[in-house]
Amino acid sequence: GAVVSQHPSWVICKSGTSVKIECRSLDFQATTMFWYRQFPKQSLMLMATSNEGSKATYEQGVEKDKFLINHASLTLSTLTVTSAHPEDSSFYICSAWQGSSYNEQFFGPGTRLTVL
Amino acid sequence: AQSVAQPEDQVNVAEGNPLTVKCTYSVSGNPYLFWYVQYPNRGLQFLLKYITGDNLVKGSYGFEAEFNKSQTSFHLKKPSALVSDSALYFCAVRGTGGGNKLTFGTGTQLKVEL
Repeated sequence: GAVVSQHPSWVICKSGTSVKIECRSLDFQATTMFWYRQFPKQSLMLMATSNEGSKATYEQGVEKDKFLINHASLTLSTLTVTSAHPEDSSFYICSAWQGSSYNEQFFGPGTRLTVL
Repeated sequence: AQSVAQPEDQVNVAEGNPLTVKCTYSVSGNPYLFWYVQYPNRGLQFLLKYITGDNLVKGSYGFEAEFNKSQTSFHLKKPSALVSDSALYFCAVRGTGGGNKLTFGTGTQLKVEL
């Protein structure tokens, strides 16, 4: 299957700093990338949908000014957690999709963010 | 709105025995159904999907799933479980009229014991 990478795999930062997470589709072009958040022993919560070259669409309750998403190319999307606080600590997972309804989403390995 | 139910938080099975992880869905239009597996501290790995055609879908690692339209179910099965199958399994659905978003179930923890 297609490969999606995320970087970093884990990050620890101080409260008030910003953290950038990269999501790359390595062997295909992704029309759309999705960003999810997962709390321990829970399902994935969709945060936003991003299409290359356009603004991301955020789910209800997700602060777009706090979680900045950029999708500059068909193989790269970034999520920046601005002014991070301990409650932002979580496992963030991206996925990439080639755009056909017949296709599955391919997921990255996730990024563990810990805010002290 | 589309939704997925995985009624069992955990399924325990002995190695070598058959396993079933249950999933039911609700969606407008025809469903596109997916199963993913997640190992600790990792992203999701795609197992199989139902788009159209045969109701019995075969996927990775010997897993299969049966689409049942009348019961709106898409249960995951494997004839003979392995200890290495122990993981968290997610069922997901995307409706033909619901855009490109996947809706996930709450996940089922599978534990295969010797």
